[in-house]
Formats: sequence, C-alpha cells, structure tokens
Amino acid sequence: GESVGLHLPTLSVQEGDNSIINCAYSNSASDYFIWYKQESGKGPQFIIDIRSNMDKRQGQRVTVLLNKTVKHLSLQIAATQPGDSAVYFCAENKGNKLVFGAGTILRVKS
Amino acid sequence: EAQVTQNPRYLITVTGKKLTVTCSQNMNHEYMSWYRQDPGLGLRQIYYSMNVEVTDKGDVPEGYKVSRKEKRNFPLILESPSPNQTSLYFCASSPLGLAGSTTYFGPGTRLTVT
Repeated sequence: GESVGLHLPTLSVQEGDNSIINCAYSNSASDYFIWYKQESGKGPQFIIDIRSNMDKRQGQRVTVLLNKTVKHLSLQIAATQPGDSAVYFCAENKGNKLVFGAGTILRVKS
Repeated sequence: EAQVTQNPRYLITVTGKKLTVTCSQNMNHEYMSWYRQDPGLGLRQIYYSMNVEVTDKGDVPEGYKVSRKEKRNFPLILESPSPNQTSLYFCASSPLGLAGSTTYFGPGTRLTVT
C-alpha cells in the first residue's frame, strides 16, 4: 500500500551541527511533499515543501532534497539550535488529505 | 492573527458519553479536516470537508461524525466514545488544494476515554 515513513525515530545532534532527517515514500506517482515541525503541545507547523519537478529546495537554514529514483527525501537543518528540538514529519499531499510519516524526534544537545 | 482554534484542549470522559470537539478557523478557508495522532503512526485523517455542507470520510472515520454548517466551524462528534478513541486530535484548514504552506493546524485536543 501507499505509505510515507521515516528511517530513524530519534536523532540527537550537538548544537551548531547540521541535522539530516530522512523519509521514504512508496508511491512513485507522488508529486508533492511537505515537512512539518511539531513542538511539544502544539500542532504541526509548515517548514518547507517540494514538488516532484524539483530535486532541491532551500529555505532559511533548511534544505529539502528529493531523490525520485530511490523514493527518498530528506530535511537538512543547518547550524541546529535548541529551538529546533521537536518532532519532524514528512507528509505527502494526496489531494484531499495529507499522508504523514511516523515522525522523527530531533534532540539538540547544548 | 490567522489561526485554528480547538476546544476543549484536554478532555477525560467515560465510554459511551457523547462528546463534541469544536474547531474554528478565521481565514475563510474552504477546506477543513480532522486528524488523530497516535504514537508511531503519525497523523491519520478522520474526515474532511471541501466546503459548507460537503463532508467526506478520511482513512479512519469509524466512530466519528462531523458537520459543516458554517464555513468557519467543523466540529468532530463522538456519539459513543470508546477507549480506542483515546488520542490526540488535530483540526486543520487550508484554501482548496491543501497546499502545504497554507495549511494551518489547531493546537490539538487530547482525549482520554476510560
């Protein structure tokens, strides 16, 4: 069946280092992906998105890479800060719904 | 300020006692949706609405009802809650098309059914 999933449930990084969060998807026809950040006690917040006609998209301190050959996308956070500690979800926009992966916990060590 | 509000934020109830979780958005969005979040499963869609009086089932609709009488409100109704509906619930809204950058989520409602 269709799914969007993550390789690592928890990622611990040192403050100032770069973080890479990975996500795999199974439907090769998928064409729009979004990364969300969820802080404790809050709903998911949009970080960055990418369409299948792109391989890379950059935002402020974040970059999303899409590898359609292996159906994999990643979120890179540069110079990770304590405020980046949260659960990160990749999601696929499937028209009338978002299909979420299970999430990755990012812990930033000071 | 653009926002999605949910009430209550926390609720503990007993099996079979009907409850409603309200959701309201102030952005004049056509699309609204309910998700539940369970550990290790991410968020799963319960119901969605494309506009007033237009609702449809998501992936896990059993045991839930919704209504969309007004554009801004999209309540989630549990007619006879059961313990397996203990979860964290999120309401979301967006313009039609569900573009990621314009999808807003509410703060969540943590429901416990005993």
